[in-house]
Amino acid sequence: AQTVTQSQPEMSVQEAETVTLSCTYDTSENNYYLFWYKQPPSRQMILVIRQEAYKQQNATENRFSVNFQKAAKSFSLKISDSQLGDTAMYFCAFMKHENTGTASKLTFGTGTRLQVTL
Amino acid sequence: DTGVSQDPRHKITKRGQNVTFRCDPISEHNRLYWYRQTLGQGPEFLTYFQNEAQLEKSRLLSDRFSAERPKGSFSTLEIQRTEQGDSAMYLCASSLALGQGLNEQFFGPGTRLTVL
Repeated sequence: AQTVTQSQPEMSVQEAETVTLSCTYDTSENNYYLFWYKQPPSRQMILVIRQEAYKQQNATENRFSVNFQKAAKSFSLKISDSQLGDTAMYFCAFMKHENTGTASKLTFGTGTRLQVTL
Repeated sequence: DTGVSQDPRHKITKRGQNVTFRCDPISEHNRLYWYRQTLGQGPEFLTYFQNEAQLEKSRLLSDRFSAERPKGSFSTLEIQRTEQGDSAMYLCASSLALGQGLNEQFFGPGTRLTVL
């Protein structure tokens, strides 16, 4: 079974600054996907960024980038130029690759609550 | 709006009552997932459908829970004889199937269940 650990329950960052959210995971799989999802207060969860384990290059999406360390099973999210709208719960999630023949369910961490302040 | 929709958004019920939630996925998505999220936790997988077939159920899904997806379109999640421990946010998500594109799951707004 896979596990995802987010060791930072809460983080705070000032507007325009950079913040890094940590995530570690445990799996015996070699092919998988990792995701960061954002859940704003009282709003639905949306995908921020995804990483395929077989790709060595770290994924980037505008102000969001990841540091994927496969050997260390670490997958951190860096948010640059933080904006007030980035205030949300951030969840790290794991999914087995489809070719494992199993369901494509997501396994989530417990989340990090990020507060962006003025 | 062509996103995932869920109904109702909130449900308050008394212990022992039955409740049913509905999820309408994005129309071209043939995979549909149910997750449960309790306060301070990440979502936990409950079950998943590909078209009308229920392909996996979590051990979290006790005998009091049943999910259906008739005709491979909308899905319902029923909880019988609700207990206070069932109080949670129930999230639905949908995605394309293997080989049909990215495997991103799109989430609905959730149904918040409170069992008194």
